[in-house]
Amino acid sequence: GENVGLHLPTLSVQEGDNSIINCAYSNSASDYFIWYKQESGKGPQFIIDIRSNMDKRQGQRVTVLLNKTVKHLSLQIAATQPGDSAVYFCAENRSGGSNYKLTFGKGTLLTVNP
Amino acid sequence: DADVTQTPRNRITKTGKRIMLECSQTKGHDRMYWYRQDPGLGLRLIYYSFDVKDINKGEISDGYSVSRQAQAKFSLSLESAIPNQTALYFCATSDSRTGLNTEAFFGQGTRLTVV
Repeated sequence: GENVGLHLPTLSVQEGDNSIINCAYSNSASDYFIWYKQESGKGPQFIIDIRSNMDKRQGQRVTVLLNKTVKHLSLQIAATQPGDSAVYFCAENRSGGSNYKLTFGKGTLLTVNP
Repeated sequence: DADVTQTPRNRITKTGKRIMLECSQTKGHDRMYWYRQDPGLGLRLIYYSFDVKDINKGEISDGYSVSRQAQAKFSLSLESAIPNQTALYFCATSDSRTGLNTEAFFGQGTRLTVV
C-alpha cells in the first residue's frame, strides 16, 4: 500500500538568520553522530560529525552540539543562505566494535526565505 | 560527485517482476550499504556488506536480496516486486581504514515505482 502522508518537521528562516535544527536520539550507547544535508533529487551529503567524547564541534558556518545527558544533538547554521534549503538528517552509530552502521532520524526540512 | 554510481536512476516496474538495482563505487571503500527512503520515515537500512564475503541484514531486509560481486559493486534485488516497495533507494559506502566511526558517502539514488 501507499505510505501515509507523514510530514517532516519544518523550519523556515529568513536569509541571513541563524538556524538551529534539533535531533533526539534514543540509544545511550551511540558513540558517533553525523549531520547530513539532502537537496531535492540528490543523495545525502556529509556536513559535520561529532564523537561522543566531545560536546561541540565547529565547521564552516556550522556547529554541532551534543548533549549526552538528554540524548540531544543540534546543528546550528550561521547566516543561513538560500542554498542551505534542504532536508537535514542526523545519524547515529548505534553500536561499537566492528558492527558499524548508521541509523538515521526522520529529517527536518529547512526552508530559507530570501 | 560520481564516486558512488547507481543505475538505473529511475525505474517503473510491474508487481511480481524481479528487478535489480546496481551500485558501483570508485572510492576504494570496503563497506557498502543499501538504504530505502520513504517520505517521513527517513533512511532505513536494508542490507550492508563489510567486504566481498560479508553480507548482513539491516532493519528491513524482507523482500530484498543483495550480491557483493566485487569490492566496488553491490547490487540490490527485489525478487518479486510489490507496490509498497515503491521508494527512493540509496547505495552508500564507507572506509573502515579511517576508523570505526566514519561517514558514509551516498549515491544519487534510484527512484523505483512498482505498479
